[in-house]
Amino acid sequence: AAGVIQSPRHLIKEKRETATLKCYPIPRHDTVYWYQQGPGQDPQFLISFYEKMQSDKGSIPDRFSAQQFSDYHSELNMSSLELGDSALYFCASSLGGTRYNEQFFGPGTRLTVL
Amino acid sequence: AQTVTQSQPEMSVQEAETVTLSCTYDTSESDYYLFWYKQPPSRQMILVIRQEAYKQQNATENRFSVNFQKAAKSFSLKISDSQLGDAAMYFCAYRSQGGSEKLVFGKGTKLTVNP
Repeated sequence: AAGVIQSPRHLIKEKRETATLKCYPIPRHDTVYWYQQGPGQDPQFLISFYEKMQSDKGSIPDRFSAQQFSDYHSELNMSSLELGDSALYFCASSLGGTRYNEQFFGPGTRLTVL
Repeated sequence: AQTVTQSQPEMSVQEAETVTLSCTYDTSESDYYLFWYKQPPSRQMILVIRQEAYKQQNATENRFSVNFQKAAKSFSLKISDSQLGDAAMYFCAYRSQGGSEKLVFGKGTKLTVNP
């Protein structure tokens, strides 16, 4: 079965640079969630989209922005990168209106800021 | 805001034995979902088991079962016949029913399985 695809899997950036993370949800899934997991931490919710509209927002810095496109893929744009942004970024997708709206996680993008 | 607490940072178990991981949560909502996720060294997040708050019956998935105590706001995970492949970080997570569908995670419990 198709899974959530995230690209790139690894990304190394310098401070103050910009990064773009991409997420391709499971086919037919209409909802995308972004989570940030720092070293030794639990995943923290950043933002979510349903049918291309922002549906919820968590502790996402103003330097970050995201959107969901017409094909339902999503991109997380991160500017003015800081050392503290080094983390594993998960994307999850779900099909809205189902019983559990179960979130299926991608493999994550590991971002390292030097 | 909802919070999830896992009071055991680390646990260990002998292969083939049983281990229970604890989780408590705080919420004022009456309808919600609870989950246990497994994160092995690959860092992939894998759903282990889920529980709907309105269901009194505890969920079971093969060797994994939960003890859901709604009044006590407790949601423990029991792993029976532990296997080496069960070694991982285990996260308890809460999700509201309706409204925000974000997952709120606990800090996690690192499970070691000894041969």
